[in-house]
Amino acid sequence: KAGVTQTPRYLIKTRGQQVTLSCSPISGHRSVSWYQQTPGQGLQFLFEYFSETQRNKGNFPGRFSGRQFSNSRSEMNVSTLELGDSALYLCASSDQGVGGGLSTDTQYFGPGTRLTVL
Amino acid sequence: AQKVTQAQTEISVVEKEDVTLDCVYETRDTTYYLFWYKQPPSGELVFLIRRNSFDEQNEISGRYSWNFQKSTSSFNFTITASQVVDSAVYFCALSEPGANSKLTFGKGITLSVRP
Repeated sequence: KAGVTQTPRYLIKTRGQQVTLSCSPISGHRSVSWYQQTPGQGLQFLFEYFSETQRNKGNFPGRFSGRQFSNSRSEMNVSTLELGDSALYLCASSDQGVGGGLSTDTQYFGPGTRLTVL
Repeated sequence: AQKVTQAQTEISVVEKEDVTLDCVYETRDTTYYLFWYKQPPSGELVFLIRRNSFDEQNEISGRYSWNFQKSTSSFNFTITASQVVDSAVYFCALSEPGANSKLTFGKGITLSVRP
């Protein structure tokens, strides 16, 4: 199976602009999660989508939003970019995404999109 | 609140040495998963292992082994006979109760293996 793919791989934007990142999960995976990785804060969970619905959300401002399509592909949008949004944005997919209890889902990550805000 | 602590930030070893990466976690939940991921310079997080909270058996996979001890809330990772290709950042992570896809990561350990 092909792995998780993310586009674009690199992006340069200026403050105030908005950006949309795309993630295609492993075929058959219905859960897609997004993470932000920065040198200072490390890896932080943004949100998770399952069957086109946001199921979990991290502690990020409303400028960060996402959506998932019927084919499980997901997009993440950041509006009014700030310098601090410069980061590696990682997408992960899993095969069940069942919340709670013991399930078999493991998250597999894509290569990330490196966003630089000038 | 959940927390994962990787106290070691950087480790440097010579090829063929054994190295242990430490991970200590905090959670109030009784059902959870622990993970280790490897991040090479390319940036992609590579899944290494998942362990559920009810399975304390140690696991060995080739040169890799993991020691899970609930009594000390630790999930340590040992690489035997390290190789240059093992050089990467290694992350330990803990799943959120009721949300297995929401992971809390440690800060990561940068492992450098010198020839």
